[in-house]
Amino acid sequence: DTEVTQTPKHLVMGMTNKKSLKCEQHMGHRAMYWYKQKAKKPPELMFVYSYEKLSINESVPSRFSPECPNSSLLNLHLHALQPEDSALYLCASSQEVGASTDTQYFGPGTRLTVL
Amino acid sequence: RKEVEQDPGPFNVPEGATVAFNCTYSNSASQSFFWYRQDCRKEPKLLMSVYSSGNEDGRFTAQLNRASQYISLLIRDSKLSDSATYLCAVNLDMIYNQGGKLIFGQGTELSVKP
Repeated sequence: DTEVTQTPKHLVMGMTNKKSLKCEQHMGHRAMYWYKQKAKKPPELMFVYSYEKLSINESVPSRFSPECPNSSLLNLHLHALQPEDSALYLCASSQEVGASTDTQYFGPGTRLTVL
Repeated sequence: RKEVEQDPGPFNVPEGATVAFNCTYSNSASQSFFWYRQDCRKEPKLLMSVYSSGNEDGRFTAQLNRASQYISLLIRDSKLSDSATYLCAVNLDMIYNQGGKLIFGQGTELSVKP
């Protein structure tokens, strides 16, 4: 079973709101990721967590704040977003960062609209 | 030069056609390569992993050429249901402390017509 779940599926928020995106996997994976995807563009990596520690931050603005409460959960806290942050936010997980056969599996995404 | 470059699309082909996608990558230390399929407004779904010279799964064949730094995906006997965007992805090697960083090509849209 290669299932990654994400909630909510859709989110509309104002620029002053605070919201959170949630991601969960029960495959025993030790690496989790956040990607952002704009229309007609490929996914772009935002953050990588390995063994619940942040290992890569792709210079993401501080209005995006990731959190990994445990090995199965990954959150993305949103605050004071801009309309240009509207996108599909994808969570992914993989067995272990650095393993030669490591493969990332994606959740269905949260479609975010910032008004 | 982009880290991963992919054939521009869209590709419009009739059912039953053979179609090939190509991707080049710039980082020679890259160790693992993938093809994902993405349907409209859905997440990328893993189609094939490519770790050695290539592999085959039914109508799909993926090949890796390390000397020339490119990967390819061949779809034989294409079906209407193959219509989607195909994304190549390269996982940067841990040596550069970029383990876990998946770099995607721009994606190629495939439309299979009756």
